[in-house]
Amino acid sequence: AQSVSQHNHHVILSEAASLELGCNYSYGGTVNLFWYVQYPGQHLQLLLKYFSGDPLVKGIKGFEAEFIKSKFSFNLRKPSVQWSDTAEYFCAVNTYYNQGGKLIFGQGTELSVKP
Amino acid sequence: GAGVSQSPSNKVTEKGKDVELRCDPISGHTALYWYRQSLGQGLEFLIYFQGNSAPDKSGLPSDRFSAERTGGSVSTLTIQRTQQEDSAVYLCASSSGQGAGELFFGEGSRLTVL
Repeated sequence: AQSVSQHNHHVILSEAASLELGCNYSYGGTVNLFWYVQYPGQHLQLLLKYFSGDPLVKGIKGFEAEFIKSKFSFNLRKPSVQWSDTAEYFCAVNTYYNQGGKLIFGQGTELSVKP
Repeated sequence: GAGVSQSPSNKVTEKGKDVELRCDPISGHTALYWYRQSLGQGLEFLIYFQGNSAPDKSGLPSDRFSAERTGGSVSTLTIQRTQQEDSAVYLCASSSGQGAGELFFGEGSRLTVL
């Protein structure tokens, strides 16, 4: 069965620090990969997604993620975080064979950015 | 409406009672999902509807949980004989179902079982 693992449960950074959140998945076939973000008091929203092509994908608000197939990883990065990036971040995967099929989420990483 | 609508936003019930949670997806979206969000547990997949296909119920935790989707639109998640461990936020999402695209989430229904 597919699974998604996020290594960090809670990350605390100061503003302007660089961010990298780990995400690994377990599925040997073709996958679609996503990062979702949930700001305090708001609903989940898409940050970025990877379907195919360039393994380095850019999303909103300066976030990017790199798909490394050999490592089954899709880590999220941002060079310089802001206080407004405080949120919970979820990595998710679904398998290519069933486009639009169920999305499996990781446990989430809570990011706290100190001003 | 413009987004995914869920009701009630908050529900407090006594152990053993049945509850129904409603989801109204974005108009035209063929795919509808239910997830459960518990503290420290992330998002747990419950059930997925895609058009007229049989739903994927593989995530339902027990036979006390069921869901239906009427007319390919509104969905109801029913929890029978609620237990305290059912307390969580129940999230609904919809998507166009094209190319494993973006899911649009509702605000969720927070269920508290006393």
